[in-house]
Parts: sequence; structure tokens; C-alpha cells
Amino acid sequence: EAGVAQSPRYKIIEKRQSVAFWCNPISGHATLYWYQQILGQGPKLLIQFQNNGVVDDSQLPKDRFSAERLKGVDSTLKIQPAKLEDSAVYLCASSFEVDEQFFGPGTRLTVL
Amino acid sequence: AQSVTQPDIHITVSEGASLELRCNYSYGATPYLFWYVQSPGQGLQLLLKYFSGDTLVQGIKGFEAEFKRSQSSFNLRKPSVHWSDAAEYFCAVGSNNNDMRFGAGTRLTVKP
Repeated sequence: EAGVAQSPRYKIIEKRQSVAFWCNPISGHATLYWYQQILGQGPKLLIQFQNNGVVDDSQLPKDRFSAERLKGVDSTLKIQPAKLEDSAVYLCASSFEVDEQFFGPGTRLTVL
Repeated sequence: AQSVTQPDIHITVSEGASLELRCNYSYGATPYLFWYVQSPGQGLQLLLKYFSGDTLVQGIKGFEAEFKRSQSSFNLRKPSVHWSDAAEYFCAVGSNNNDMRFGAGTRLTVKP
């Protein structure tokens, strides 16, 4: 069974630029999550999708972050414009109903 | 919303010694509890989970955890630590919507 795929693995941008991350969840997993993990901290949930609907985006900075999940499968997370404090690893996870979440390898973003 | 506290930021143990990592949670209902491990540059891997039933949970790699409702705790234990166990360990609590909140993590160093 293929795991959660994310791309790119690394991204370096300058502040005020835009960036997008892509996630492909495990086949059959209806729920998809995006987390932000700042160095030295635990992952923080940004947004949770159930199929293509948003379940929880209470911690998503909506003035600059957006996410979509087209057709209830793949998802993209965008930051526009990026700030220095957005430097972090962005993790995507998926789950089948209320159960263990499976995590992708993450995208390490550096904002200069 | 639920929350998790991991009181120990960093723990050092000798190889072969026993290990206990502390986790305290806050949640109004019966929690879903998880321990994940993250090696440098790697994604998060599930060690074990508690949903209901037996309060002593066995996981992979010889780890176990005990759910104590009266203490709101879910401490992780291993009787004999191996050098390969050096990593960051995260406790997480989930709700019935499966949105998880992670602790800040405990970094484990294993001395030869």
C-alpha cells in the first residue's frame, strides 16, 4: 500500500513570495489533514478535510494561507505572501474514519 | 478543545535502561490517545494508540503505554532502550472528529 505522498520535499523562497504544496493521500482515506511543524515544536493542525469539505480550519491563518481538496482526493496548501515565521515543515496526513493518521514525509519550507 | 502537555523537553538514558516519557492530556470526553515517533528528517510513525478497552496498550518496537483516566495521563514506557530509539516522541489526543492535538515533544538521547 502506497503511503501519503507530498511534494516538493524542500522549498526555499523569499518573503512575500507565494508557494504551494501538494499532497496525495492514501487511497480510500476520506479525511486529509495539513499540519505545520515549526522547529522544536509539535505539529499544529492547520486544516482538516472530510472528502472535499472542510471540517476544521480554526487554526489556519486565512489572510495568507489557503487549501483546497479537489474531488476529495489530492490537496494543495498555498501561502501567499509568505512571511519569515512561515518557515516550517508542512505535513500532510490522511485517515480512514476516526483512526490512526498516516503522515507523509513533509515539505520543509525556508523563507528568507 | 483538547490539549496535550509533555513535561519533559529532553531526556537522556543509557542504552539498556528503562524509559518512561510523560504525557498529560485535557479533554472533556473519552479521548483517543496516540504516541508517535519522529526520527530526524523523517515523517511521524505511530507507536501505539488507545481508543477504549484495556488501559495498557502494546505498540511496536517494544513500547507500551498506560491510560490513567484519574491522572489524565498516557505515559509511554519501554523496559530496555536501544540506541536506535533516539528520536523525538510526540503524544497526541484526538476527538471524535479525529482532529488531533500534539504535545511539544520529548527528545530522547541514548547514551552508549
